[in-house]
Amino acid sequence: GENVEQHPSTLSVQEGDSAVIKCTYSDSASNYFPWYKQELGKGPQLIIDIRSNVGEKKDQRIAVTLNKTAKHFSLHITETQPEDSAVYFCAASKGAGGTSYGKLTFGQGTILTVHP
Amino acid sequence: KAGVTQTPRYLIKTRGQQVTLSCSPISGHRSVSWYQQTPGQGLQFLFEYFSETQRNKGNFPGRFSGRQFSNSRSEMNVSTLELGDSALYLCASSLDRSNTGELFFGEGSRLTVL
Repeated sequence: GENVEQHPSTLSVQEGDSAVIKCTYSDSASNYFPWYKQELGKGPQLIIDIRSNVGEKKDQRIAVTLNKTAKHFSLHITETQPEDSAVYFCAASKGAGGTSYGKLTFGQGTILTVHP
Repeated sequence: KAGVTQTPRYLIKTRGQQVTLSCSPISGHRSVSWYQQTPGQGLQFLFEYFSETQRNKGNFPGRFSGRQFSNSRSEMNVSTLELGDSALYLCASSLDRSNTGELFFGEGSRLTVL
């Protein structure tokens, strides 16, 4: 089955710096790659996603890039703020139909700490 | 628009007991998925329901089961609880139009097994 590796497991940055989290996936049939942010005591919140027909997507300070050939995708956060501190998860899915219904394969998570 | 609602938020059980967790999806969402989150194994897929039918299942023992009602609300049940079942159980809902894959999670039910 699908396997998603996420690095680093912890990341500490100063406010205003950029943060980059990287993930690799094993199943070339995966075509949907969301990123989730989980704050303490809360459920994961979808922050951005990308599909396999797109190489890059931006939403204000957050961007995601996808390299299908290398089977890796990355989350980039610019101008980090203390409220960005949380656990970030990448995930992969085959998206439409078949055995993929409802199933996301998650990376192990990255604890991001932004110091004021 | 209300989000995914899970009840109870916290519960404590002892080994051998059973537990039922409830999930109300976002209004209009017909697909409900369940995940188990633990520090050691991370987020793992349990099962997915759509129109009262289980369409997908993860690699969990038969002690883990679920169901979905006609109003899309879902429950999951764990029987004969083991210490290792202590976890945050997350429910996620989806519009499931062409199964785009977007899942919206609830706050979870934190189960502690003593």
